[in-house]
Amino acid sequence: EDQVTQSPEALRLQEGESSSLNCSYTVSGLRGLFWYRQDPGKGPEFLFTLYSAGEEKEKERLKATLTKKESFLHITAPKPEDSATYLCAVQRTGANNLFFGTGTRLTVIP
Amino acid sequence: EAQVTQNPRYLITVTGKKLTVTCSQNMNHEYMSWYRQDPGLGLRQIYYSMNVEVTDKGDVPEGYKVSRKEKRNFPLILESPSPNQTSLYFCASSLRTSGGIEQFFGPGTRLTVL
Repeated sequence: EDQVTQSPEALRLQEGESSSLNCSYTVSGLRGLFWYRQDPGKGPEFLFTLYSAGEEKEKERLKATLTKKESFLHITAPKPEDSATYLCAVQRTGANNLFFGTGTRLTVIP
Repeated sequence: EAQVTQNPRYLITVTGKKLTVTCSQNMNHEYMSWYRQDPGLGLRQIYYSMNVEVTDKGDVPEGYKVSRKEKRNFPLILESPSPNQTSLYFCASSLRTSGGIEQFFGPGTRLTVL
């Protein structure tokens, strides 16, 4: 059974304090791992797709990495506008649907 | 502007009164899906569709119906809503690429069933 576990559930950072969010997954063959950002009251917004272990992708202050068991979303020198819930999802090989984790709620304090 | 739209955005109804939540996308995407989001449970997929007239169950399909008669529309139907279907619902669409499904989400519909 596919499983996605995100940690921590919530994270408070001072502005400029870098950190990482974790997404551990169990899936029988990974086709893709996806990161989304969700602001309160809005739909998730696509950030990254990672396909294979060792792959990395960057966007502004965010960098996503992937191993065979987990993915990290690194946030460098975060700003208050980075505050959001970050969701991780996996797509199993041969499947046509995504399985989501419950997210990490990030708060960046000025 | 490329977008996924949902209507209504907010709905309060009573048990057993049939309702439909509409979803439309203007990106010519083949793939569309419906999710519900509940505190502590995250996003769970209800149904998805890979193309017109092709639909399949997600993880929590009980109590829901869908149809895909046109590429741009994917309505979610609750024939006899119950209080446990009170939730935040999201529609999403995507291009199906060889690399996987990168979904674009609508703004959400908050449903309360009394």
